Amino acid sequence: DAKTTQPTSMDCAEGRAANLPCNHSTISGNEYVYWYRQIHSQGPQYIIHGLKNNETNEMASLIITEDRKSSTLILPHATLRDTAVYYCIRGKKSSGDKLTFGTGTRLAVRP
Amino acid sequence: DGGITQSPKYLFRKEGQNVTLSCEQNLNHDAMYWYRQDPGQGLRLIYYSQIVNDFQKGDIAEGYSVSREKKESFPLTVTSAQKNPTAFYLCASSVGGVRTDTQYFGPGTRLTVL
Repeated sequence: DAKTTQPTSMDCAEGRAANLPCNHSTISGNEYVYWYRQIHSQGPQYIIHGLKNNETNEMASLIITEDRKSSTLILPHATLRDTAVYYCIRGKKSSGDKLTFGTGTRLAVRP
Repeated sequence: DGGITQSPKYLFRKEGQNVTLSCEQNLNHDAMYWYRQDPGQGLRLIYYSQIVNDFQKGDIAEGYSVSREKKESFPLTVTSAQKNPTAFYLCASSVGGVRTDTQYFGPGTRLTVL
């Protein structure tokens, strides 16, 4: 079975970039990489997704390696409000697939 | 403002009682989902509905039931058959019927069964 691996926890200083890695044991050519985050006791929030090109939006950047087995979510200037659990998820854009939320990476932003 | 509402935020029930959790959305989304989250764990899919009057079981549907009579509403009933109902319950919606579409989550209901 394909497996997604993320560090259990990370921390970074406020104002610095937070780089959150994600690795997939295997990933199909039509599987996207999605990132969500969950602030304590709230519902998850969509951040960004990509297939093979790097992506950027107002929240974050997503860097995907050429073999697509690794991706990095970058929060360019982390703030205390970015403290959350970050989930990296594989998924196909097809009716048969679904989002599977693992345990994610707990990011702590230090003042 | 458009969004998803779940009520109540905290819910306490006695063991053996059925309880219904509310989920409403005004995003005009076709698809809606229910997830369960236990402490320190990820989300697990209970039920989902891709269109009104239709729904499918997710990974852990036993002991739960749902209905989808209106596009805006997707209530979840936790029945007495659910062996360990204490958990954080999250409702989500997405535009279309593809379950990997961007999902928008409500604030959650924390259910405690005493």
